[in-house]
Amino acid sequence: SQQGEEDPQALSIQEGENATMNCSYKTSINNLQWYRQNSGRGLVHLILIRSNEREKHSGRLRVTLDTSKKSSSLLITASRAADTASYFCATVDFTGGGNKLTFGTGTQLKVEL
Amino acid sequence: DAGVIQSPRHEVTEMGQEVTLRCKPISGHNSLFWYRQTMMRGLELLIYFNNNVPIDDSGMPEDRFSAKMPNASFSTLKIQPSEPRDSAVYFCASSLAQGEVYSNQPQHFGDGTRLSIL
Repeated sequence: SQQGEEDPQALSIQEGENATMNCSYKTSINNLQWYRQNSGRGLVHLILIRSNEREKHSGRLRVTLDTSKKSSSLLITASRAADTASYFCATVDFTGGGNKLTFGTGTQLKVEL
Repeated sequence: DAGVIQSPRHEVTEMGQEVTLRCKPISGHNSLFWYRQTMMRGLELLIYFNNNVPIDDSGMPEDRFSAKMPNASFSTLKIQPSEPRDSAVYFCASSLAQGEVYSNQPQHFGDGTRLSIL
């Protein structure tokens, strides 16, 4: 079952603009991760934010986490055509042990020249 | 460094045939995951292993699906008999599970096997 729901499902912007994607989840989490998937490829890990963190940065990426609202957002600043991909949030919980991820439905981002 | 290697990349076969998907995780990783991705259902976890032992197979759709991990460097996902509804992209991923911080380790994905059952 899908733990996270991403919003919007699809986003089209111009190169140089910022892109914001949101993720909502349902249960308590230990951390939340964002992944990117280019067409025809596997998922690539972008950034991880722990449940006791509120904001994290990595290059042009900024992730926020609000555990009271069970939501997270991914901001990509100064977007490039190469950022065109699908973006997924994934939540981790310790139930049953192990590094088990539950993925959201994804946001398809298209960055146009 | 070599990433997660999956084979074959594409598989087309007729329903009723046995299908075997293969995965080589990143050397040193001790957790391995099999996922299935479809437009309708998104990305679903089928099964995962820690230290070659299956931990959670609750995502395996039915008895036609089986997975093995005979050693730390190889895993298979088998479908027998295959059906058209099994058509999907199957991903293998691996990560390092170690001590108390294992849940904070990212998963590394292969490029998947695109399976078409006719």
